[in-house]
Amino acid sequence: AQSVAQPEDQVNVAEGNPLTVKCTYSVSGNPYLFWYVQYPNRGLQFLLKYITGDNLVKGSYGFEAEFNKSQTSFHLKKPSALVSDSALYFCAVHNFNKFYFGSGTKLNVKP
Amino acid sequence: GAGVSQSPSNKVTEKGKDVELRCDPISGHTALYWYRQSLGQGLEFLIYFQGNSAPDKSGLPSDRFSAERTGGSVSTLTIQRTQQEDSAVYLCASSALSGGAFYEQYFGPGTRLTVT
Repeated sequence: AQSVAQPEDQVNVAEGNPLTVKCTYSVSGNPYLFWYVQYPNRGLQFLLKYITGDNLVKGSYGFEAEFNKSQTSFHLKKPSALVSDSALYFCAVHNFNKFYFGSGTKLNVKP
Repeated sequence: GAGVSQSPSNKVTEKGKDVELRCDPISGHTALYWYRQSLGQGLEFLIYFQGNSAPDKSGLPSDRFSAERTGGSVSTLTIQRTQQEDSAVYLCASSALSGGAFYEQYFGPGTRLTVT
């Protein structure tokens, strides 16, 4: 069965500190991996994706993610968090014509 | 270029009534998805359309739920005999297809359905 896990319901970080939001997946074949962000009362917005090539991908708003095939992980990172990064983050995997979403991680960035 | 639009933005209905939710995807996007997001939950896949192929309905929770996509563009999600547990935000997304690879989805703002 295909699945995506975001083990942390919530991540708290101080502004200016680095942040990591974790994602692991279990799918067959070579998946396409995505991160989306949902701001309060807004729709989901695409942040970045991994299709092939370099394991480190860079996306919007200074976010990046590292694909680790051996650990089946695709953690989202940012070197220096902003208060405005506070939102709900979803990891997703595309495999066999479907997208599988994680349960979401709420990121709280404190001033 | 317009993004994905959904209507209505909010819908309050009485238990037992039927509702229709509409999605207008980005022009030219061949793939269209419906999801349900309950409060505090992740996204639950409902149904997927790709071009003229038969839709993947494997995520529909019951036979009260149905969806169609006319002319490969606009899609309507219908919920018959609504129940209180149907209350959620219903999200539509569209995606392009190029060379057999799917790209990122673009989401609409969602329809918040409240069943009283």
